[in-house]
Amino acid sequence: EAGVVQSPRYKIIEKKQPVAFWCNPISGHNTLYWYRQNLGQGPELLIRYENEEAVDDSQLPKDRFSAERLKGVDSTLKIQPAELGDSAVYLCASSFAGALANYGYTFGSGTRLTVV
Amino acid sequence: GQNIDQPTEMTATEGAIVQINCTYQTSGFNGLFWYQQHAGEAPTFLSYNVLDGLEEKGRFSSFLSRSKGYSYLLLKELQMKDSASYLCAVITTNAGKSTFGDGTTLTVKP
Repeated sequence: EAGVVQSPRYKIIEKKQPVAFWCNPISGHNTLYWYRQNLGQGPELLIRYENEEAVDDSQLPKDRFSAERLKGVDSTLKIQPAELGDSAVYLCASSFAGALANYGYTFGSGTRLTVV
Repeated sequence: GQNIDQPTEMTATEGAIVQINCTYQTSGFNGLFWYQQHAGEAPTFLSYNVLDGLEEKGRFSSFLSRSKGYSYLLLKELQMKDSASYLCAVITTNAGKSTFGDGTTLTVKP
């Protein structure tokens, strides 16, 4: 079974340009998370979806960040316009509520964004 | 909000035992995760504690004391491949919100 799939793996853009990240969670996982991880720090939650509903987006900078999860499966995270401080690794994770104790969240490989 | 504290770095010797501590302050505690993250890779799940006590999984064990806001991850028979960052994460009952600590970088030396 494929894990959480993210693309692209790496992205370099100039500041003020838009960028989008894509995530395909594990089949059957109803909860999807987007995290941002800066070097030397732990992942910071940006948004959490239960099926297609965003149930926690309190830490998403809504002036420039947007996300969607169509049909409760794949998800896209967008930044427009990007700023230098957005350089980080963007991690997608998914989970199934009934299996948290045994499997936790499963993370994708992440997208390393560099804004120049 | 939530506050999670872990030591920044630890060093141990191959074959030894190491304990990585995590303290937290939160309201509505609903569980604690430990994750392992090798450099440049995604975090991988190690353990989940929601009740007080010790959970053992092979060479790794995790302990939780809810009254003290304290957890530790115990790694036995250390191997070189255990060199990684170890992340503590707390889940709250506030819509299942999760907060990660900044991780403890463990270096295992021969």
